[in-house]
Amino acid sequence: EIVLTQSPGTLSLSPGERATLSCRASQGVSSSYLAWYQQKPGQAPRLLIYGASSRATGIPDRFSGSGSGTDFTLTISRLDPEDFVVYYCQQYGGSPTFGQGTRLQIK
Amino acid sequence: EVQLVESGGGLVQPGRSLRLSCAASGFTFDDYAMHWVRQAPGKGLEWVSGINWNSGSIGYADSVKGRFTISRDNAKNSLFLQMNSLRAEDTALYYCARDYYRSGWYYFNYWGRGTLVTVSS
Repeated sequence: EIVLTQSPGTLSLSPGERATLSCRASQGVSSSYLAWYQQKPGQAPRLLIYGASSRATGIPDRFSGSGSGTDFTLTISRLDPEDFVVYYCQQYGGSPTFGQGTRLQIK
Repeated sequence: EVQLVESGGGLVQPGRSLRLSCAASGFTFDDYAMHWVRQAPGKGLEWVSGINWNSGSIGYADSVKGRFTISRDNAKNSLFLQMNSLRAEDTALYYCARDYYRSGWYYFNYWGRGTLVTVSS
């Protein structure tokens, strides 16, 4: 099983700032089979990024993904107040697994 | 519009069984693999099980293997999860999720709102 570790657990920033969220895999993720999700309170997760760097339909271009192998990054270029929620990475190179999540909070 | 509506959750005693259902609409159901993903209260996401378009490929998380059974009825656009020998640690919100593709496990581009399962005496 591929274990995903997200860091930091909580990130405190201000609206308008840039956020960098990390996801590290315990072994290489084949073909960059990595996705990112956003989850708002009381809602189901929403797909943001797939294939490590492709934005899902309707996702604003301030969200971008990068990385390969074992190290992946989600970047939010200019934080909007609605972005201060929880983010998960997920790999699908084998049986799917999720990271434990990063909570983005207002500083 | 893609819709996934889960049902069947509730309060159940440890060791008992429960069957979850997911009604799908707004897309051609048998064109996609489907999954169950759960989230314990205040915790993160955990993939539970997946089934490809024709039920020819099925997978389970180690935590539920041998106790849970996933199935689908393409004629009724429905996904199921039979949960036996339930434990307290199975308490969670169970989401039905649609895969990007029909075979293999990929990412989940549509999710239902979930159905809550509480295992307690």
